[in-house]
Amino acid sequence: KAGVTQTPRYLIKTRGQQVTLSCSPISGHRSVSWYQQTPGQGLQFLFEYFSETQRNKGNFPGRFSGRQFSNSRSEMNVSTLELGDSALYLCASSNGQTLRAGNTIYFGEGSWLTVV
Amino acid sequence: DAKTTQPTSMDCAEGRAANLPCNHSTISGNEYVYWYRQIHSQGPQYIIHGLKNNETNEMASLIITEDRKSSTLILPHATLRDTAVYYCIVGGSNTGNQFYFGTGTSLTVIP
Repeated sequence: KAGVTQTPRYLIKTRGQQVTLSCSPISGHRSVSWYQQTPGQGLQFLFEYFSETQRNKGNFPGRFSGRQFSNSRSEMNVSTLELGDSALYLCASSNGQTLRAGNTIYFGEGSWLTVV
Repeated sequence: DAKTTQPTSMDCAEGRAANLPCNHSTISGNEYVYWYRQIHSQGPQYIIHGLKNNETNEMASLIITEDRKSSTLILPHATLRDTAVYYCIVGGSNTGNQFYFGTGTSLTVIP
């Protein structure tokens, strides 16, 4: 069974540009969540989608957005890039509706974004 | 979700058991304890999780105290490839599937 797949793995953007990152969850998983990891802030939750609906959102500005498609694949977009957006962006998928049932979350390898 | 407290770093001799502690004194009854590890530049890897009972799988064992306020992840025979940052996370108090990560424990396995 294929794991969580993220594309692209590495990219470089210029300040002010926008970027779209893609995530394909494990087959059958309907929940997709996104995280940002930086040396200074660690791993931070961005947002989570389930059946095309955003259920939870972390404390990030509106420049960070996402969506989920009917096949559970997800994209996240960052507009008007800032130098501080340079980070590893991680996607994760889950096989259940809620952690209350003891679901497991599986992470992809991430997309490394460098803003110059 | 309840917060967790872990030591910043630990060393372990290769071949010995690595015991990684985690405190989660504010854990509530329906929250699970999860352990993940992250090797540099890779995505976090799931290790094990549990609610009340001790759990064991091919990677590790999870020991949860009776009052559930702390837990220990045990890697029975640490190898150099176990060098990573280990995250203890409590999840399940909210609807949805999201984690709030702490800073984790940086485990170094020494030859």
